[in-house]
Amino acid sequence: DAGVIQSPRHEVTEMGQEVTLRCKPISGHNSLFWYRQTMMRGLELLIYFNNNVPIDDSGMPEDRFSAKMPNASFSTLKIQPSEPRDSAVYFCASRRTGSPLHFGNGTRLTVT
Amino acid sequence: AQRVTQPEKLLSVFKGAPVELKCNYSYSGSPELFWYVQYSRQRLQLLLRHISRESIKGFTADLNKGETSFHLKKPFAQEEDSAMYYCALSGGSGNTPLVFGKGTRLSVIA
Repeated sequence: DAGVIQSPRHEVTEMGQEVTLRCKPISGHNSLFWYRQTMMRGLELLIYFNNNVPIDDSGMPEDRFSAKMPNASFSTLKIQPSEPRDSAVYFCASRRTGSPLHFGNGTRLTVT
Repeated sequence: AQRVTQPEKLLSVFKGAPVELKCNYSYSGSPELFWYVQYSRQRLQLLLRHISRESIKGFTADLNKGETSFHLKKPFAQEEDSAMYYCALSGGSGNTPLVFGKGTRLSVIA
């Protein structure tokens, strides 16, 4: 089991550019979560999916953020256009009903 | 509303000293509580869940419903325990999101 896989590990981009973060959950897990980690606010839930369906996106900060889960093995988080205040570590996590949450290694995003 | 409070942002202890990382929660039902650990620039890893009632790496945590607390304890800190520790709460049905505290950075000084 390779765990939750995120790519890229690091992303440096200029303000205004589109950023796409990718996540492959653990096989068999039916829920997927996107979290953002910053020094100021800690871990914030952005959005989560159950069985590929978005359930709650109230944590998505603005319309510039969007997330999709086209199938059980892939999800994307997109920021368009990106801004310097979006700089953070973005974590994807997955779980099977009733089991603990497993995190990916995260994507460290820097927007200059 | 679900809330997790970790009052200490940073906790420094000497090697061999006891450690207690505080966690208080707010939830009207029966919560499930967790501790996650994040070593430098790595992923968050599950350390403990209260329903397991086990000790991992010498750490234990007891759910105190009267005080709505789930403090993490270790009798003798080791340098390798230096990390970021997050307390988390899950309420409701099986796949609701975890609500995390803001974390406590533990620094063990040799």
